[in-house]
Amino acid sequence: GAVVSQHPSWVICKSGTSVKIECRSLDFQATTMFWYRQFPKQSLMLMATSNEGSKATYEQGVEKDKFLINHASLTLSTLTVTSAHPEDSSFYICSVQSPTSEDLDTQYFGPGTRLTVL
Amino acid sequence: QKEVEQNSGPLSVPEGAIASLNCTYSDRGSQSFFWYRQYSGKSPELIMFIYSNGDKEDGRFTAQLNKASQYVSLLIRDSQPSDSATYLCAVFNDYKLSFGAGTTVTVRA
Repeated sequence: GAVVSQHPSWVICKSGTSVKIECRSLDFQATTMFWYRQFPKQSLMLMATSNEGSKATYEQGVEKDKFLINHASLTLSTLTVTSAHPEDSSFYICSVQSPTSEDLDTQYFGPGTRLTVL
Repeated sequence: QKEVEQNSGPLSVPEGAIASLNCTYSDRGSQSFFWYRQYSGKSPELIMFIYSNGDKEDGRFTAQLNKASQYVSLLIRDSQPSDSATYLCAVFNDYKLSFGAGTTVTVRA
């Protein structure tokens, strides 16, 4: 499977500030990465699909101006939560999709970033 | 109607028993199916994927897929306390994964 890292693993910020989360694919070049959000006791909800060299595709209900995604290289995607508010506090997880036919469509997840907005 | 539904938990089983987890999906055109395990406070980790009807075994885990019934299941044999986690069923279609709400399993020592 793929190896994915995220940084930071946790962050606490004040309301109104912006926070950047990095997601790196460590063992292959990922043209597509995914960003999820998970609230306590809930399942993962896809926020957006990040495409290298092009604009991200956001899911319905996700504000693209608030959650800025940049996929500038084949190994790095970033999610910036702009003007964060307490309701943005959540567990943010990225994933990469396997490039091999053996595990087609399989997504491998990063360790996640826990964001707390005060 | 939710796209992916899992049997509600929590599911408590004694150590050494079989844990049975069920999942149904709504899109008949779905082709790829996944089970992930998620420990509290951690991100999901892949247990198994299954593409074809029938059974697929990997160690103590067996996934079963029935596309006609739009049903996929996961059996955990010889359950261990370390299997205590939330198990997420995921279905791939339209270029993305849809997740069920998860079933929390507790293995009693």
